[in-house]
Amino acid sequence: DIVMAQSPDSLAVSLGERATINCKSSQSVLYSSNNKNYLAWYQQRPGQPPKLLIYWASTRESGVPDRFSGSGSGTDFTLTISSLQAEDVAVYYCQQYYSTPSFGPGTKVDIK
Amino acid sequence: QVTLRESGPALVKPTQTLTLTCTFSGFSLSTNGMCVSWVRQPPGKALEWLALIDWDDDKYYVTSLKTRLTISKDTSKNQVVLTMSNMDPVDTATYYCARTVGADYFFDYWGQGTLVTVSS
Repeated sequence: DIVMAQSPDSLAVSLGERATINCKSSQSVLYSSNNKNYLAWYQQRPGQPPKLLIYWASTRESGVPDRFSGSGSGTDFTLTISSLQAEDVAVYYCQQYYSTPSFGPGTKVDIK
Repeated sequence: QVTLRESGPALVKPTQTLTLTCTFSGFSLSTNGMCVSWVRQPPGKALEWLALIDWDDDKYYVTSLKTRLTISKDTSKNQVVLTMSNMDPVDTATYYCARTVGADYFFDYWGQGTLVTVSS
């Protein structure tokens, strides 16, 4: 099974500033035959179910603001919020789907 | 419009079997590529994928719980059922069902979740 790790556990960022979350998989999630990274990101606000933000490591889901972006390949990935807004306070999870799905432990984002 | 809704008991006793139902609309599990999963989240903790069933009735389970889980579907009722045997207090969690499309198992629609507490 592929194990996902995230860092940091939590971070506090000023409004309008950049937030960066890292995700690392225990083995590569890059499928060589199609050159796609099987990695998604979710946002979970308090009391809500997760919401899909990004899939294929960098493809934004329809309706997701463009301040959210994903990057990385192989085993190392990053979710960036370019200008933090109040509504972005949430826990963010990465998830691999290269094999049976598994999630990272989450990163909590707060306002400084 | 795609919606999913979980239902089941809020409280179960240790050693009992939990049965949860996901009732969905806006898509059919008889359509090629459609899948429904169960994901759980203990209070204050991370998400854990549990099981998936696809349009072709293929089933997949998390390795650590495989012996306790059974997933099934009733296409005519637009429902997916998850049973988990031998419940323990550590199984206390919010249980979500979620949809995936195709063999790329990321989840584009989620239910609101149902909290199940395991206690005597």
